[in-house]
Formats: sequence, C-alpha cells, structure tokens
Amino acid sequence: RKEVEQDPGPFNVPEGATVAFNCTYSNSASQSFFWYRQDCRKEPKLLMSVYSSGNEDGRFTAQLNRASQYISLLIRDSKLSDSATYLCVVNPYSGYSTLTFGKGTMLLVSP
Amino acid sequence: DTEVTQTPKHLVMGMTNKKSLKCEQHMGHRAMYWYKQKAKKPPELMFVYSYEKLSINESVPSRFSPECPNSSLLNLHLHALQPEDSALYLCASSQGTGWVGGYTFGSGTRLTVV
Repeated sequence: RKEVEQDPGPFNVPEGATVAFNCTYSNSASQSFFWYRQDCRKEPKLLMSVYSSGNEDGRFTAQLNRASQYISLLIRDSKLSDSATYLCVVNPYSGYSTLTFGKGTMLLVSP
Repeated sequence: DTEVTQTPKHLVMGMTNKKSLKCEQHMGHRAMYWYKQKAKKPPELMFVYSYEKLSINESVPSRFSPECPNSSLLNLHLHALQPEDSALYLCASSQGTGWVGGYTFGSGTRLTVV
C-alpha cells in the first residue's frame, strides 16, 4: 500500500462549482497533515494544515479522519485561479521524519 | 523574511560540466532539504541537513554532492550529470527535522542536462 494515495484527476469543473479531493495515508502514527498547492512549473506552496477538528480558510475546508486515515479538501465557489495540482502531504514524525507526498490531484477550472 | 531563495532559476549544462545550485534562508530554520521533481510527479527527497550536518542521503548518486557551509546556506554540486537528471530541483527548510509542521520551499532551479 502506498504511503499517501490520491486520485490524480484531472478534475474538470466549471467556475463556481464545489469540488472535493480525498487522500488516504498508511502510517497510523502520522502526526501532521497538509495540503500544498503547486502551479505548473512552480514550487509547492502550503495551502493549509489539516486538523482533526476540521479547519476552514475562506473557500477552502480541510478535514482529517484519523480513524479512517483519510484527509479531504473542499473548495467552494471555484475560481479559474484555483487551477493547480493539490498535493496531500503527511508528516509521519517518527523522530527523524520527513514529509511524505501524495502524487497530487490536478484541478482544472474552466469559464 | 519568510523566503527560501534559490539560484539560478534555470540552468542548462552539458554532461561534462560542473555546476552548483544555491539555496539560502534567513528564517533561522535548522533543517534544510534538497528535493528533485520530475514532471507530473511529486517531489522526491534527496538530502536532509540538520544543524549543518548531513542526516539523510536517499541513496543519491555521487554525481550530486550537497554542502551546507552554514546554517543559512545549502549548495548542491553537480558533476557528470546524465540527461535523465533533468528536473526541477527544490530546496526547502523547516524549523528542525523533528518539526511537525510543514516546509517552506524555494522556487526551484529548472535543470536541463544536454
């Protein structure tokens, strides 16, 4: 089983749509979780951290379900500028740990 | 200052050349990382430096040689590369290797080996 799994997409949605991405992780001891956004030929940028209580930042809502080892990202009222690849990232924190990346989900928002 | 700065942004080099990639951060972070990213793939860890000492080498070929001259700088020396080494090379930093937070990435160096 891969450590962090995501549907690669692409997800093609019209402007204004609501879209949800999911991610599963295999290491049940993982400590922290993130969604990064990566535009074409650019570096990954932290979009938001993900907490068990769920957290929201404007149009973006992230949820973590530790029991199911599942992370989600919901984008409401999609904008053209939301088109990017969304990387699910897990920090296993086993002492000397490094971030584990999913392969990313591509989102294309069209007019 | 919450940036990781990488130079150069683009590099084209021949297979017999020697070149270096540079990375700098002034956030007081004590862990720095080199990643390699190929198109449509996630970043792949190459090296980790913690308190200026190499702590992880992910079985990277010796034609890639990292160096950490001080706590703010990280270099990647390149020699005798192959065309398949063409990729985006990303530097990142974090407060420490035991840090449960995310990393800050530089904008990368797009390397083409001809």
